[in-house]
Amino acid sequence: QVQLVQSGSELKKPGASVKVSCKASGYTFTTYTMNWVRQAPGQGLEWMGWINTNTGNPTYAQGFTGRFVFSLDTSVSTAYLQIDSLKAEDTAVYYCARVGTAVAGGDYWGQGTLVTVSS
Amino acid sequence: SSELTQDPAVSVALGQTVRITCQGDSLRSFYASWYQQKPGQAPVLVIYGKSNRPSGIPDRFSGSRSGNTTSLTITGAQAEDEGDYYCNSRDSSGDDVVFGGGTKLTVL
Repeated sequence: QVQLVQSGSELKKPGASVKVSCKASGYTFTTYTMNWVRQAPGQGLEWMGWINTNTGNPTYAQGFTGRFVFSLDTSVSTAYLQIDSLKAEDTAVYYCARVGTAVAGGDYWGQGTLVTVSS
Repeated sequence: SSELTQDPAVSVALGQTVRITCQGDSLRSFYASWYQQKPGQAPVLVIYGKSNRPSGIPDRFSGSRSGNTTSLTITGAQAEDEGDYYCNSRDSSGDDVVFGGGTKLTVL
């Protein structure tokens, strides 16, 4: 069965960096693009962008350029989200989600990773 | 701001039918997907494409589209259907993905 398992919660200070992992299993990793989605506390879902797992080419949504980096390690079927120069407003749950056929938002989702930025 | 607009909150009596709507120009060209999210949990896909349900989603969930509006209908709402519902599709350019602001469903 398809599973996306994300790394655990993180507590970081402003200005630090964080790297969230998303390990896929149950399917051929390089066949499906991977989304990243942010959900700030009490807020809705926000698409951050996606990464083509076959080519490694990332696409970033408006507002997620510069400090946000999507990457892959296809040898271990894992996608990564790195956020640099963390700010308090980056505090959120971050989800990876597999882009399915005709399901741009994602047909399978990771359990989410809470990143808290606080001094 | 989201290019897909949803009502913030909707309520339905137990066992009755409820329709949750999502409006946006891109919906004239692209089908939407619908997600259910319960507190502290990841979103779950409930409807995609014309009105397709993933395995394990009850058949009381259905989808439809008319013009720039897509709807999620729950026929015979159950207590466990309470949660937040998000629509999702491509944006008007077709290049990006966008989520609606979400609708909080309360089952009375």
